[in-house]
Amino acid sequence: GQNIDQPTEMTATEGAIVQINCTYQTSGFNGLFWYQQHAGEAPTFLSYNVLDGLEEKGRFSSFLSRSKGYSYLLLKELQMKDSASYLCAVYKAAGNKLTFGGGTRVLVKP
Amino acid sequence: DAGVTQSPTHLIKTRGQHVTLRCSPISGHKSVSWYQQVLGQGPQFIFQYYEKEERGRGNFPDRFSARQFPNYSSELNVNALLLGDSALYLCASEGLADNEQFFGPGTRLTVL
Repeated sequence: GQNIDQPTEMTATEGAIVQINCTYQTSGFNGLFWYQQHAGEAPTFLSYNVLDGLEEKGRFSSFLSRSKGYSYLLLKELQMKDSASYLCAVYKAAGNKLTFGGGTRVLVKP
Repeated sequence: DAGVTQSPTHLIKTRGQHVTLRCSPISGHKSVSWYQQVLGQGPQFIFQYYEKEERGRGNFPDRFSARQFPNYSSELNVNALLLGDSALYLCASEGLADNEQFFGPGTRLTVL
């Protein structure tokens, strides 16, 4: 089966750092995506991790531990425009399928 | 270079009707996937098509069907609409690399 867990909601202050955790138990794993989704819009690609470790891309970083079934997305120097839902998704090459978590809604306050 | 396009943007239907949603992938991408996203939840996988063949199917009833055309565009059809089919329907265009998964703007379907 597929089980992907992430917190429902997080609140942080502008300029701060927020870490969004994602744990997964899936049959088959080829990589893990993070997407950002503003209300009423489509998800936009943030990162893709295949190997263990940290990948940094500007203010956003993503970490993966395959042995622990764990990933996190780190958002630094938060801006008001970062208020959005953040989706963790496990990619399985068989069937070319993304399995999403429920999303974490991040609210950035001034 | 155009991204993934979907039409229509919004749609309102009544129970029992059918609906056809359309998607055009990024130029050069040969694979499309369809997802349903109910408000407040993550997207759920419906179908994946590659070179006009179905390569994957999620846990959706037979009322949901899809096809892909020679130009790699795709249609999602839903028959006998239910209230619970109200959702944002997303199309993802996929390149050859695993990390080339890009979403279109979605079609918001409301079933009354």
